[in-house]
Parts: sequence; C-alpha cells; structure tokens
Amino acid sequence: GAGVSQTPSNKVTEKGKYVELRCDPISGHTALYWYRQSLGQGPEFLIYFQGTGAADDSGLPNDRFFAVRPEGSVSTLKIQRTERGDSAVYLCASSSGPGVTEAFFGQGTRLTVV
Amino acid sequence: AQTVTQSQPEMSVQEAETVTLSCTYDTSESDYYLFWYKQPPSRQMILVIRQEAYKQQNATENRFSVNFQKAAKSFSLKISDSQLGDAAMYFCAYRSVQTGANNLFFGTGTRLTVIP
Repeated sequence: GAGVSQTPSNKVTEKGKYVELRCDPISGHTALYWYRQSLGQGPEFLIYFQGTGAADDSGLPNDRFFAVRPEGSVSTLKIQRTERGDSAVYLCASSSGPGVTEAFFGQGTRLTVV
Repeated sequence: AQTVTQSQPEMSVQEAETVTLSCTYDTSESDYYLFWYKQPPSRQMILVIRQEAYKQQNATENRFSVNFQKAAKSFSLKISDSQLGDAAMYFCAYRSVQTGANNLFFGTGTRLTVIP
C-alpha cells in the first residue's frame, strides 16, 4: 500500500478482554516496529520485526503482550487480559530494512480499556 | 539507556515568525542519529528532519533547521516563517547506530501553537 495502515482506528474494550491490533506496512518493507504512546508521552518501543522474526522484543511490558508477523508483512499485536493501564495509542512503523534510518508511521490505534 | 528530554511542554509562535524547540539527550555513544518528528491530530508521526551525529554541518529542510551541539548533547529545531499547518506536537528522537539497535527513543514532546 501507499502508507502504513493500522486497524482499527479506535478500539474500546472491557477490562479482562483480549484484543488484536493490526498493522499493514508499506509493501516491501522488511522492518516493522510497534510503539505505545500513553497520554502526554512520547512513543515507547515495544517490539521490532525483521522479516518474520522478532529481532527485539525488549520493550514488551509483560507476558500479556505478544506480536506476530507470520508472513513477513502484516503484523498483529495481541493483548490478553487487558487492563485499564493498557489504554494508549499503539503506533506501527515500517522501514525498508535494518539500519535504514527513516521509518514510516501509521496513524495508530487508540485503545481504551473500560 | 538513552534518554531524550524536551523541557518545553508548550510553545506558541505568531504566523510568519520564527520559533525554536529545545531537546537534550543523554548517551555514551559517539555515533547516532537524531530526529524531529511532527505529530498532528491525525496521530501519524511525520519525519521533519534528521541529523547524523558524525556530521558537523547542521541539517536543513526548507523552513526547518537544527542547531546540533554534540558536546552539549543539544539538538534544537528552528522553524522559520511559521505557518498555520505547523501547529502540532513535535517529538525529538534518538537512534543508536549499533548493529541490532533499531528503535527510536522519544522525548515527551512540545505542543506548538501557531497564532494567526
């Protein structure tokens, strides 16, 4: 696609539920990143994929968070047993390869846990 | 770990005037990248300008320029001839050049208001 696409744009879920957030990167981009942006803060790194594998998942806050990229394109961020503190904007970015400095961001998914 | 500090939560500028946004960072590395991103209400982070630490010359992109002071670990953004469309959140970010270090470290942002 022309840009990074994230769906849904907004998601409201109840505490304790499971959610999936989708990221469709720019076609041909092998590197994909997930960030979390809490209210009033800058984005914080969650996980980085190079191809199908998670090259760096050091930013995932706990084992309720998991992400996959099975075919090296679309990625899904999965959050189990959601908590109110998970409420944030989840941003996805992609770049054409490792070491490439410019990453292109999507418009994010605003997750609200009630 | 690298930290990025933006000490100005909010700034305002008159249309057509110049404004400077401040950013400082902490690192023990000698080579790295620094960025300024713009985030309008659409939430999409848009790259404004990039600086490689090994380059002494300050980066410039049209009305946007930086003042990079490596010894002081300072990286400010100057916006000249401000336009209404410049109103947004601005984030300073750091990225290591070390192999395997691909993620960005962001500051907390500065909200820029442009007054007509």
